[in-house]
Amino acid sequence: NAGVTQTPKFQVLKTGQSMTLQCAQDMNHEYMSWYRQDPGMGLRLIHYSVGAGITDQGEVPNGYNVSRSTTEDFPLRLLSAAPSQTSVYFCASSPRTGSETQYFGPGTRLLVL
Amino acid sequence: DQQVKQNSPSLSVQEGRISILNCDYTNSMFDYFLWYKKYPAEGPTFLISISSIKDKNEDGRFTVFLNKSAKHLSLHIVPSQPGDSAVYFCASSAYGGGSNYKLTFGKGTLLTVNP
Repeated sequence: NAGVTQTPKFQVLKTGQSMTLQCAQDMNHEYMSWYRQDPGMGLRLIHYSVGAGITDQGEVPNGYNVSRSTTEDFPLRLLSAAPSQTSVYFCASSPRTGSETQYFGPGTRLLVL
Repeated sequence: DQQVKQNSPSLSVQEGRISILNCDYTNSMFDYFLWYKKYPAEGPTFLISISSIKDKNEDGRFTVFLNKSAKHLSLHIVPSQPGDSAVYFCASSAYGGGSNYKLTFGKGTLLTVNP
C-alpha cells in the first residue's frame, strides 16, 4: 500500500490564483481530512470528510473548498490564493472517524506571493 | 482556547538518557491520546497512543503515561537516540462521544538528542 499520497510536493502561487491540492489513499479509509501547519501553531483542521459525498468544515475553512466523490480521493481547492495561505498542508485518513489514529501524507508546501 | 498544550517548545538531551515530553489538556471529554513524530519535510507519523481506561502504554523504547486527574500525559523515550530528534506532537480526541470528528493537536516540542 502507498498509504496517503499528496501532490504536488511544493507549489508557488501568485495572489488571486487558484489551485487544487491532491490527496489520495489506498487503505479504504472512510475518514479523510486536511490540516495546515504553521510555525508555532501546531496542526489545524481545515475540512474533513466521513465518507464519499460527505464533507464538513474544520477550524479554519475560509478560503478553501473540498469535495469527496470517491472513497480514495479528497482534493483541497484554494479559490483565490492569499499570502495568509502560505503554509504546509497535510492530508490524513483513518478507518472510520476523526477521533481515532489518523495517518498522514508527506505534505504540500505552498508559498503564495 | 488551546485545549491541548505542550508548554516546552524544545528539549535537548544526551544520547542514552531519558527524554520526557509533556502534554496537558483541558477538555474533560477527551478519552483518547496520541503522540506523533515529525521529521522535517515529512508528514507526522503515529508513534503511540493510550485510551483513558489505561494509565500506561509501552511500545519498545516509548512509554506514554496518562494522569487523568491532572489532565496530563507524558511520553518517555528510553534510551534516547540521535534518530529520535524530531518534533513531537501530542493529540487528543473524544473517541467515546462528544466531538469524534477530529484530533486536537498541541503545538509540538522539538526534541534534539545529542550524540
